[in-house]
Amino acid sequence: SAVISQKPSRDICQRGTSLTIQCQVDSQVTMMFWYRQQPGQSLTLIATANQGSEATYESGFVIDKFPISRPNLTFSTLTVSNMSPEDSSIYLCSAIRGADQPQHFGDGTRLSIL
Amino acid sequence: EDQVTQSPEALRLQEGESSSLNCSYTVSGLRGLFWYRQDPGKGPEFLFTLYSAGEEKEKERLKATLTKKESFLHITAPKPEDSATYLCAVQAPSSGSARQLTFGSGTQLTVLP
Repeated sequence: SAVISQKPSRDICQRGTSLTIQCQVDSQVTMMFWYRQQPGQSLTLIATANQGSEATYESGFVIDKFPISRPNLTFSTLTVSNMSPEDSSIYLCSAIRGADQPQHFGDGTRLSIL
Repeated sequence: EDQVTQSPEALRLQEGESSSLNCSYTVSGLRGLFWYRQDPGKGPEFLFTLYSAGEEKEKERLKATLTKKESFLHITAPKPEDSATYLCAVQAPSSGSARQLTFGSGTQLTVLP
């Protein structure tokens, strides 16, 4: 299975600032995703990170708030912009190596906004 | 809209006390049903994929089964190290991208020694 590393693992940020989360996979993958998991809740898909093109966002998530990059087949970033306390959550990256393969997840970034 | 409902929300078992977790789903054209285990402070860890009704998968003390409306995760003679949150997710054409998952809210399992 793919090994997925996220940085930072946690952060405490001030309201109104932005934070970029990095996701690195140990081998080339076909698809990468970003999820949000609020305390005690399940995972909600934010967007699909497309290599070399704009990400595909789910309903309720917009590019201005959550810009995503995926410059190659092993790396993606998610930026949480203009943060407010409501953005306090765990942000998870996942990837699929190939057809008929399951999604594998990183350990997440725990973000707290003061 | 795809819906995934897991029950119970929380389950406490004594070590060795077998039980089952339920995942009910409503989708148009299931492509796959996935079970994950999530430990505190960690990302979900893949356990099983089930594709069609009647299919079963086993791994150590865990066995996953699938019908047309629900999936069960059976835990036989659990140990304290089986304590975790178990997540169920479905993949369907209505989910958007070909590999997008819709997750249930999870069952938090505690196994007491």
